[in-house]
Amino acid sequence: AQSVAQPEDQVNVAEGNPLTVKCTYSVSGNPYLFWYVQYPNRGLQFLLKYITGDNLVKGSYGFEAEFNKSQTSFHLKKPSALVSDSALYFCAVRDGRNTPLVFGKGTRLSVIA
Amino acid sequence: DSGVTQTPKHLITATGQRVTLRCSPRSGDLSVYWYQQSLDQGLQFLIQYYNGEERAKGNILERFSAQQFPDLHSELNLSSLELGDSALYFCASSVEGDVHEKLFFGSGTQLSVL
Repeated sequence: AQSVAQPEDQVNVAEGNPLTVKCTYSVSGNPYLFWYVQYPNRGLQFLLKYITGDNLVKGSYGFEAEFNKSQTSFHLKKPSALVSDSALYFCAVRDGRNTPLVFGKGTRLSVIA
Repeated sequence: DSGVTQTPKHLITATGQRVTLRCSPRSGDLSVYWYQQSLDQGLQFLIQYYNGEERAKGNILERFSAQQFPDLHSELNLSSLELGDSALYFCASSVEGDVHEKLFFGSGTQLSVL
């Protein structure tokens, strides 16, 4: 069965600095990887996905993620953090049709002015 | 606004009771998913329906059941409620339910079992 690990419960970064939110995955087949963001009192919003092709995926709000097959990782990155990026970030994976999208436990990102 | 509507937003009930959560997917989306979010378990997949039929099942308790109706809205029924069922329940939808599709989430129903 597929699984996702987000090793950090909390990431703190100063505004303007680069940020990284880590994610590793485990699947039996080809991974379909996603990042979602959750703002307070809101549902999850899609940020980006990796299906196949270029290992660097660009998404919404200036975020990008790098797929690394050998390290089974899909870390979320942004070159310059904004205070408004503060939210809960979820990594998720599927490995086939009729399999559910499995989420990590989430990483809370705090960007400090 | 994701286009996915969940009602009610908040629900407070007592142990042993039964409640129904409702979800209307985005227009045109055939697939509906239910997730439970709690502090200790994170976001747990419960069940998925596609065009009225169950497609995938996750960690859904036997006390819980769901269905998707011909108009594609879905209901999640929770019975014999326990304190531990208190959580945020999300509904999400996608067009076909294929692996590459992103999900659109509703704002959730916050269930409090007292």
